[in-house]
Amino acid sequence: ETGVTQSPTHLIKTRGQQVTLRCSSQSGHNTVSWYQQALGQGPQFIFQYYREEENGRGNFPPRFSGLQFPNYSSELNVNALELDDSALYLCASSPRRSALTDTQYFGPGTRLTVL
Amino acid sequence: AQKITQTQPGMFVQEKEAVTLDCTYDTSDPSYGLFWYKQPSSGEMIFLIYQGSYDQQNATEGRYSLNFQKARKSANLVISASQLGDSAMYFCAMREGRGYSRLTFGEGTQLTVNP
Repeated sequence: ETGVTQSPTHLIKTRGQQVTLRCSSQSGHNTVSWYQQALGQGPQFIFQYYREEENGRGNFPPRFSGLQFPNYSSELNVNALELDDSALYLCASSPRRSALTDTQYFGPGTRLTVL
Repeated sequence: AQKITQTQPGMFVQEKEAVTLDCTYDTSDPSYGLFWYKQPSSGEMIFLIYQGSYDQQNATEGRYSLNFQKARKSANLVISASQLGDSAMYFCAMREGRGYSRLTFGEGTQLTVNP
């Protein structure tokens, strides 16, 4: 069973640029969630995708957008990068959209630095 | 309003001793799940243990147990027989029953195991 993978592992961008982060969900999982973790803080929920549609969103502006593909892999896109976007971006997959007991399994994260 | 509170920014424990990491939560939903994750310096969030709000018994997973006190809204993680590899950041997280499977995290506790 393959776990959650993310690419790239590290990324450096300049302010104003756009970035795309990628995530492959664990085998058999149809739900992908994205989190932003600033240094020294807990992860903050960005949004969730279920069967290729956004299924819920946290308190993030529209320049944070995403996609989910038929194989349940996902992308996180951030436009007009700001310095505060520097963070570890974590992707998590789970077997079902809303079962309370389902555990979210996380990937290794992508560390984004905005200069 | 902060829904997950971890009041111990840092904890120290001697190898082979037990340690308790505190977590309190706030929700008006009678149906919720509580999770603990471990985050080593590499960044990946590793699932440790789950407790459901309707579970009658405290959850256990190997050396990890969850001291669930529903009336006090606390869900403390107990690690028995600490090992050097347990040194990491530990996060408590909650998912509420309504809607999608969004996790709300606390600020974390940095655990250091001394030889």
